[in-house]
Amino acid sequence: GAVVSQHPSRVICKSGTSVKIECRSLDFQATTMFWYRQFPKQSLMLMATSNEGSKATYEQGVEKDKFLINHASLTLSTLTVTSAHPEDSSFYICSANPDDSRYNEQFFGPGTRLTVL
Amino acid sequence: AQSVTQLGSHVSVSEGALVLLRCNYSSSVPPYLFWYVQYPNQGLQLLLKYTTGATLVKGINGFEAEFKKSETSFHLTKPSAHMSDAAEYFCAVSDPNSGGYQKVTFGTGTKLQVIP
Repeated sequence: GAVVSQHPSRVICKSGTSVKIECRSLDFQATTMFWYRQFPKQSLMLMATSNEGSKATYEQGVEKDKFLINHASLTLSTLTVTSAHPEDSSFYICSANPDDSRYNEQFFGPGTRLTVL
Repeated sequence: AQSVTQLGSHVSVSEGALVLLRCNYSSSVPPYLFWYVQYPNQGLQLLLKYTTGATLVKGINGFEAEFKKSETSFHLTKPSAHMSDAAEYFCAVSDPNSGGYQKVTFGTGTKLQVIP
């Protein structure tokens, strides 16, 4: 099956700093990737749809200036949490939708645990 | 708009017993339906999916689910629970008319505990 990686797997940062999370599709191309946020013991909430070569589409209530998304290539999307605060602490998961139509599912990364002190 | 309801945030079964995790959906169009499993601090792994065709879908690790349109349900079952099945399970729905595998809406999850 197709593999999606995320880096880093865990990050701890101070309040006010920015953190970048990478999402890579390792063996397929993906024009579209997705970023989710998961609070403890809760479900995944879609934050935004990342489109290669164009602006991301953010879900209602998600601040686009706080959660910057860059999808610069067909295998890489990045999420930057700017001026992070403790309430941004969460588990961030990306997924990728392969361009190859033979794959008929999204593939999820292993997630990134962000802790803001 | 689509939504997914998972009845029971926690389910406990004995090892070897039947596993039944319930999922009901709401969709204005015939949906695509999914079950994912998540182990602690990990991403999601697809167990099975229903798109079209046969309503009884078999997945990995002995799990299966049946799409019942009349009941708007997609319950997940496994005849005999194994200790390794202990995890969080998410039911999800997407709109085939929106790319099929995009804009997936997840349920709130059911944590499965398997008792030795």
